[in-house]
Amino acid sequence: AQSVSQHNHHVILSEAASLELGCNYSYGGTVNLFWYVQYPGQHLQLLLKYFSGDPLVKGIKGFEAEFIKSKFSFNLRKPSVQWSDTAEYFCAVINYGNNRLAFGKGNQVVVIP
Amino acid sequence: DAGVTQSPTHLIKTRGQHVTLRCSPISGHKSVSWYQQVLGQGPQFIFQYYEKEERGRGNFPDRFSARQFPNYSSELNVNALLLGDSALYLCASSSAGGSNEQFFGPGTRLTVL
Repeated sequence: AQSVSQHNHHVILSEAASLELGCNYSYGGTVNLFWYVQYPGQHLQLLLKYFSGDPLVKGIKGFEAEFIKSKFSFNLRKPSVQWSDTAEYFCAVINYGNNRLAFGKGNQVVVIP
Repeated sequence: DAGVTQSPTHLIKTRGQHVTLRCSPISGHKSVSWYQQVLGQGPQFIFQYYEKEERGRGNFPDRFSARQFPNYSSELNVNALLLGDSALYLCASSSAGGSNEQFFGPGTRLTVL
């Protein structure tokens, strides 16, 4: 079964610091990759996605992620975080051939003003 | 346009009872998926329905069942509730079955006492 790993479950940063969240998945076939964000009191929202093409994808609010196929990774980055980036971030993978979106355990990110 | 809607928002049940959760997809979306999110974990896939047919099932017991109606709305049913069923139940819709982007609703918070 496919699995998704996210490390450093709790991350605390100061505003203007850079953020990088790691995501590794286990499935070796063709996959679609997603990062979702859940702001406090809100529902899951799509931050960015990778289906094919340029492995560096840009999402909303200045986030970007890089797909490295050889490393089975899809790491999320933001050069300079803001207090409003405080949220829980989930990496998710869906592979061609089944219909189930597999999520990592999430990263709880707290940005201190 | 309205996003994915779910009802009820919160629900409290006791062990052994039955519960029905409801989901209305985004207009035009024909696929609905259900996920269970327990505290501190990422969402876990339960079911996917597309055009009223089950297209995928996660590793959940037979106490969990679902269906999709002609208008593409969906119900998730859980019988013989256990304390461990306490979780946030998320519904997501997509325009087609398979590996497409999924849009999430706000969830139903189920508490089993």
